[in-house]
Amino acid sequence: DVKVTQSSRYLVKRTGEKVFLECVQDMDHENMFWYRQDPGLGLRLIYFSYDVKMKEKGDIPEGYSVSREKKERFSLILESASTNQTSMYLCASSPFKSRKYFGPGTRLTVT
Amino acid sequence: QKEVEQDPGPLSVPEGAIVSLNCTYSNSAFQYFMWYRQYSRKGPELLMYTYSSGNKEDGRFTAQVDKSSKYISLFIRDSQPSDSATYLCAMGLGNEKLTFGTGTRLTIIP
Repeated sequence: DVKVTQSSRYLVKRTGEKVFLECVQDMDHENMFWYRQDPGLGLRLIYFSYDVKMKEKGDIPEGYSVSREKKERFSLILESASTNQTSMYLCASSPFKSRKYFGPGTRLTVT
Repeated sequence: QKEVEQDPGPLSVPEGAIVSLNCTYSNSAFQYFMWYRQYSRKGPELLMYTYSSGNKEDGRFTAQVDKSSKYISLFIRDSQPSDSATYLCAMGLGNEKLTFGTGTRLTIIP
């Protein structure tokens, strides 16, 4: 079974803090993704990565950055957290085009 | 107009009923079609994956794609309380980007 794990299930941060969300997959997948999920808006792609040290912007990259130093690990960074970044963050990995496997999600609250 | 439209529900049906979930889309270039199931406070789980028009069956689940009408459906036969979840449709162009529907919340009443 594919396993995608995320470092935290719930996180509460203050406005202006730097926030790190980590994702690890154990199936040697090349592709990894970060989405956020909000009621009424569905899942929106923030960033994705085809390979180590490679990254591509998704549909809503503003206010976020990513890091992929190892194949199995993909980190999402909120440089200066804001209240409008309160959301559910979902990491996914993919062995080939489109078939994605998701982690359990991190529910982030920024106060 | 959204690229993918999905009725958010909520949808409640009695146990044992046949459930029909639907999505319409506007981009005729979509090549891959998926259904994900998401339980409360969990990540989405891939349920069905198809890349052609027609039907695909897996146990009690059938995915149907009609590219001419830009319409996809998921049917659940003999629905169980454990099927209660939010169902997300998703579509891909053949690159790595997927476009998701907003999800339909389904409750199966025992």
